[in-house]
Amino acid sequence: AQTVTQSQPEMSVQEAETVTLSCTYDTSESNYYLFWYKQPPSRQMILVIRQEAYKQQNATENRFSVNFQKAAKSFSLKISDSQLGDTAMYFCAFTGAGSYQLTFGKGTKLSVIP
Amino acid sequence: NAGVTQTPKFQVLKTGQSMTLQCAQDMNHEYMSWYRQDPGMGLRLIHYSVGAGITDQGEVPNGYNVSRSTTEDFPLRLLSAAPSQTSVYFCASSATWGPRDSPRDYEQYFGPGTRLTVT
Repeated sequence: AQTVTQSQPEMSVQEAETVTLSCTYDTSESNYYLFWYKQPPSRQMILVIRQEAYKQQNATENRFSVNFQKAAKSFSLKISDSQLGDTAMYFCAFTGAGSYQLTFGKGTKLSVIP
Repeated sequence: NAGVTQTPKFQVLKTGQSMTLQCAQDMNHEYMSWYRQDPGMGLRLIHYSVGAGITDQGEVPNGYNVSRSTTEDFPLRLLSAAPSQTSVYFCASSATWGPRDSPRDYEQYFGPGTRLTVT
């Protein structure tokens, strides 16, 4: 069974600064996908960024980028130029390429301070 | 295009009561799923469906039933509610799921959630 670990229950960052959220995972599969989801106070789950394990290039989406270290099974999320609207719970998630299940970490609560 | 809708938004039940959480999507998605979210636990998969008439269990299926008679709807039934089922429930859908070339096939669209309290 796959596991996803987010070791930082809470973090804070000053507005306009950069913050990195950590995620590690455990799997025996060679082909899989990793995701970061954002859940603001509205409770809506929003996909932030995805990464395919077979791609060495780190994914980026505007101010969001990942540092994917396949050998270390690490998948961290970097948020640049943090904005007040980035305040949310962030969940790391994993699915094997042949799996029908998405496994989530327990989440990191990020607060952006004005 | 409403996306994924869930009803009700809030519900209070007494122990032993039954109810159905409704989920519908208008995107013609094959894959639909139900998750529960508890404090400090992240989201955990309850049941999922890869198409009409096909359902399977996820990580925490006990106490819940599902069926999928149409592509659009995927209701979650609690037959005899227990306080341990107090949670926020999310329905999600995806165009397809499984070994595909495009990672977009794995993108799940979530509904707004239902907060359920069992007393």
